[in-house]
Amino acid sequence: QSALTQPASVSGSPGQSITISCTGTSSDVGGYNYVSWYQQHPDKAPKLMIYDVSNRPSGVSNRFSGSKSGNTASLTISGLQAEDEADYYCSSYTSRSNLGIFGGGTKLTVL
Amino acid sequence: QVQLVESGGGLVKPGGSLRLSCAASGFTFSNYYMSWIRQAPGKGLEWVSYISSGGRTIYYADSVKGRFTISRDNAKNSLYLQMDSLRAEDTAVYFCARDSEGYSGYLVDYWGQGTLVTVSS
Repeated sequence: QSALTQPASVSGSPGQSITISCTGTSSDVGGYNYVSWYQQHPDKAPKLMIYDVSNRPSGVSNRFSGSKSGNTASLTISGLQAEDEADYYCSSYTSRSNLGIFGGGTKLTVL
Repeated sequence: QVQLVESGGGLVKPGGSLRLSCAASGFTFSNYYMSWIRQAPGKGLEWVSYISSGGRTIYYADSVKGRFTISRDNAKNSLYLQMDSLRAEDTAVYFCARDSEGYSGYLVDYWGQGTLVTVSS
């Protein structure tokens, strides 16, 4: 069982918005603003999309945004495009370990 | 551009050993913490280990502690993972990753393509 909880799958139609949740505890997501999100296409390396809850690295589309409330972080993708279909993983700093923790991943399907 | 290229994966019997390498280019390797992260087939991601820029600070996941050893050679721009006493549950794609500047062991900004390690008799 993964340390952070994500829905197994979400789906949306092109142009719509979707939100993926990532639930942890006060020892990780809720206690620190160090939540990040990665996108992974099949058989590819993950790509950093969001860091420190809501910051986008250079080159990442502004259609991707992040937020947090309590122990739950969220990734929102607006204006869905076919190329957004991928697996998405959240990650967080945790006070329980010297290493970060990941969510189990969410498969996004663009209908 | 940042490039991380892993090598050394393959098929190994339970109890065997394997050494993974990661060749880094496109950035000043000696300035960055580096991590190994793995992904079992069809599963999620797991942080395995990280090493500080100078190699003095090292941490391991409990699942590999005492069996895996991370190291680096800054003169060769290379990161390594020595894996001993391998188990079936170590089967995974192993990614070499660069820790984001100012972060250690919980945020990576570049990943390699990964190398597959299969532990099976």
